[in-house]
Amino acid sequence: DTAVSQTPKYLVTQMGNDKSIKCEQNLGHDTMYWYKQDSKKFLKIMFSYNNKELIINETVPNRFSPKSPDKAHLNLHINSLELGDSAVYFCASRPGGNTEAFFGQGTRLTVV
Amino acid sequence: GDSVTQMEGPVTLSEEAFLTINCTYTATGYPSLFWYVQYPGEGLQLLLKATKADDKGSNKGFEATYRKETTSFHLEKGSVQVSDSAVYFCALKQGGSEKLVFGKGTKLTVNP
Repeated sequence: DTAVSQTPKYLVTQMGNDKSIKCEQNLGHDTMYWYKQDSKKFLKIMFSYNNKELIINETVPNRFSPKSPDKAHLNLHINSLELGDSAVYFCASRPGGNTEAFFGQGTRLTVV
Repeated sequence: GDSVTQMEGPVTLSEEAFLTINCTYTATGYPSLFWYVQYPGEGLQLLLKATKADDKGSNKGFEATYRKETTSFHLEKGSVQVSDSAVYFCALKQGGSEKLVFGKGTKLTVNP
């Protein structure tokens, strides 16, 4: 009964490929996020959705496209993968107000 | 914009030593403040939080007090254990914004 689950946990792919990472939360939260963690552990927000509506879109290349089919899911599709996309991607969700976010286990993406 | 500054790591301590990880923030108004912990190979977990000035968050022997006058939220533990080895992130969330802003993280290693 994992609260925020991401798949896959590991993803190794070649440059130029297109890949997707899936995220699902069973907490009934309204807001979901994608964060990127680089090799120095720095966490940078990429996107946030609230009730399927995009509310935060940081300066992320348009090769990255989030999709929220419903409130419980926020998937991340990446086109034309580049070496610099290698990182750990975290999905998170939050119920609203000044509450904390709940994070998934992360997806380690390696582009070779 | 809002930002969080944490002390640079890594921090290496012996078991039972006293721990302080400094965190200061820049934000308008009264943000909520959080400490998250990331154990090796895992996602982020909330360690503690404080939502208003002078609040003290505490969990698992860790404490942090929301100091509005010094815009700080320093993390402390009186006696660390090997199992506390992890990366610690300070974060803030401004009311009215969905964005959770993280510091750069501080890696703690506790040796037996």
